[in-house]
Amino acid sequence: GAVVSQHPSWVICKSGTSVKIECRSLDFQATTMFWYRQFPKQSLMLMATSNEGSKATYEQGVEKDKFLINHASLTLSTLTVTSAHPEDSSFYICSASYTGRPFGPGTRLTVT
Amino acid sequence: DAKTTQPTSMDCAEGRAANLPCNHSTISGNEYVYWYRQIHSQGPQYIIHGLKNNETNEMASLIITEDRKSSTLILPHATLRDTAVYYCIVRVYPSGNTPLVFGKGTRLSVIA
Repeated sequence: GAVVSQHPSWVICKSGTSVKIECRSLDFQATTMFWYRQFPKQSLMLMATSNEGSKATYEQGVEKDKFLINHASLTLSTLTVTSAHPEDSSFYICSASYTGRPFGPGTRLTVT
Repeated sequence: DAKTTQPTSMDCAEGRAANLPCNHSTISGNEYVYWYRQIHSQGPQYIIHGLKNNETNEMASLIITEDRKSSTLILPHATLRDTAVYYCIVRVYPSGNTPLVFGKGTRLSVIA
């Protein structure tokens, strides 16, 4: 089946720094990837839709200048959390537009 | 996409069948019922989907009522590893490049 990987699986960073999360489709090409975040005991919330070779589409309330998304190839999308703050601490998950809508394993970000 | 309603939580004894209900009274004729689950601190995992006929795969069975206004996901012999949050999602298929939108889901606890 289609596999999506994420790197890193967890990261701790200091407030004010930037963190990049990678989402890769391992055995298929994905023209579109989706980024979600999930706070403890809550459901997944869609942040943005990432399209290969074009600008991402952000959901209402998600700051596009803070959460930079780049989808430079058909197998890689990246989410960069810029100037991270403790309130950005969350579980970030990507998914690919493909049969079965495969999801990555998630990246746990902790901002101290 | 049609709205779904699921119980917040359920318990199930290990080895017994787990029956998870979902109401989707506003479902349209071209919308499918999808089920995903999310084990703690992991990405969501696809389970099964169906349009109007009952479906079965190696993970579960999906029973959809004749009027399609509700459905039940059945895990025939629940194990401790089935403890997870289960999401029922209604959407058009094929869905192209549109994301999955998650509700609150049902937290299933399988008890030894």
